[in-house]
Amino acid sequence: KQEVTQIPAALSVPEGENLVLNCSFTDSAIYNLQWFRQDPGKGLTSLLLIQSSQREQTSGRLNASLDKSSGRSTLYIAASQPGDSATYLCAVSGGSNYKLTFGKGTLLTVNP
Amino acid sequence: DTAVSQTPKYLVTQMGNDKSIKCEQNLGHDTMYWYKQDSKKFLKIMFSYNNKELIINETVPNRFSPKSPDKAHLNLHINSLELGDSAVYFCASSLPGVTEAFFGQGTRLTVV
Repeated sequence: KQEVTQIPAALSVPEGENLVLNCSFTDSAIYNLQWFRQDPGKGLTSLLLIQSSQREQTSGRLNASLDKSSGRSTLYIAASQPGDSATYLCAVSGGSNYKLTFGKGTLLTVNP
Repeated sequence: DTAVSQTPKYLVTQMGNDKSIKCEQNLGHDTMYWYKQDSKKFLKIMFSYNNKELIINETVPNRFSPKSPDKAHLNLHINSLELGDSAVYFCASSLPGVTEAFFGQGTRLTVV
């Protein structure tokens, strides 16, 4: 059974800092890994998708890496801004039914 | 132009009632999902449909019945609502294993 763990559970940083969010998963037989952002009371916004054959993806100030063999992914956020404050969720797609298994998220607060 | 839309956004109802949540996607995806986010914000899959066929049913009580009239729609009907059903329910769609999953804005169900 796939299990996804995100560390830390919460993170508070001053504006302008670079930061790393961590995600680990127990079953390396995945199709892809996806990072989402969830604002309070809102839905999930897809940030980055990394296919199992890829090592990293970049979008603006965000960079996600994937090490499938070790079951790890990181989300790097450069020059953080207060608008980046949200919960960041990691999810992996795997199995015969491609379902997404989510971690419990990292609550990020960027202080002005 | 909303990709995945759910209605209603909020639903407050009494125990024992029957209610439905509707979901529509205009992305041309083959697969649609229902996820439940509990009070601790943990997201877990409930159902998945591929081309109108049920492919995932994750030990959800049979009071929950998904219905897919066509591949662009996946509705969730809940009978005999219980207090423990209070949660946020998210609809999503994707081309599994290929594209990122897109989520609706969620339906916050409160059973009183």
